[in-house]
Amino acid sequence: QSALTQPASVSGSPGQSITISCTGTSSDVGSYNLVSWYQQHPGKAPKLMIYEVSKRPSGVSNRFSGSKSGNTASLTISGLQAEDEADYYCCSYAGSSTHWVFGGGTKLTVL
Amino acid sequence: QITLKESGPTLVKPTQTLTLTCTFSGFSLSTSGVGVGWIRQPPGKALEWLALIYWDDDKRYSPSLKSRLTITKDTSKNQVVLTMTNMDPVDTATYYCAHYWGAFDYWGQGTLVTVSS
Repeated sequence: QSALTQPASVSGSPGQSITISCTGTSSDVGSYNLVSWYQQHPGKAPKLMIYEVSKRPSGVSNRFSGSKSGNTASLTISGLQAEDEADYYCCSYAGSSTHWVFGGGTKLTVL
Repeated sequence: QITLKESGPTLVKPTQTLTLTCTFSGFSLSTSGVGVGWIRQPPGKALEWLALIYWDDDKRYSPSLKSRLTITKDTSKNQVVLTMTNMDPVDTATYYCAHYWGAFDYWGQGTLVTVSS
């Protein structure tokens, strides 16, 4: 069982927007602005899409955005494209004892 | 540009010790704030953070695996080594190393390690 809870799957049609939630606790997501999101295509290494809750690395499309409210972080993808179909993982710093925790992953299907 | 590559055995027997090496380029592990971490992913399952070593040799381990893990660095060789003792079939996974700067921003391609007799 993963420390952060994500929906197993989400889907959307091209051009639509979807949001993936990542629920933690007051010991991780709720306490630190060190939430990151990773995209993983089959057979590939994860790719950083969002860091520090809402910052985008250079080269990541502005269709990807992140936010946080309380113990829940969210990744929103607008203007869905076929290439966005992948697994998405959230990750949060969880303090000096647990350090970093990942979510269970969400499979995004573009219909 | 930053690149990382994992190397090590593809098959280990139960109870054996796994030693993986991450060889990187494009950054120095003596730069303040920089770290290199290890993350694994069992087939068809989620990512799991294992360990991280910082530029100042500060080391962090997953609480559930701490007794089995050791992470070290060789700054002159641009390498980070992870050892995991007492391997079990449930440890079968792709093991990734990643550059850390507030997040795991650059990843290696991963190496699949199978634990089987």
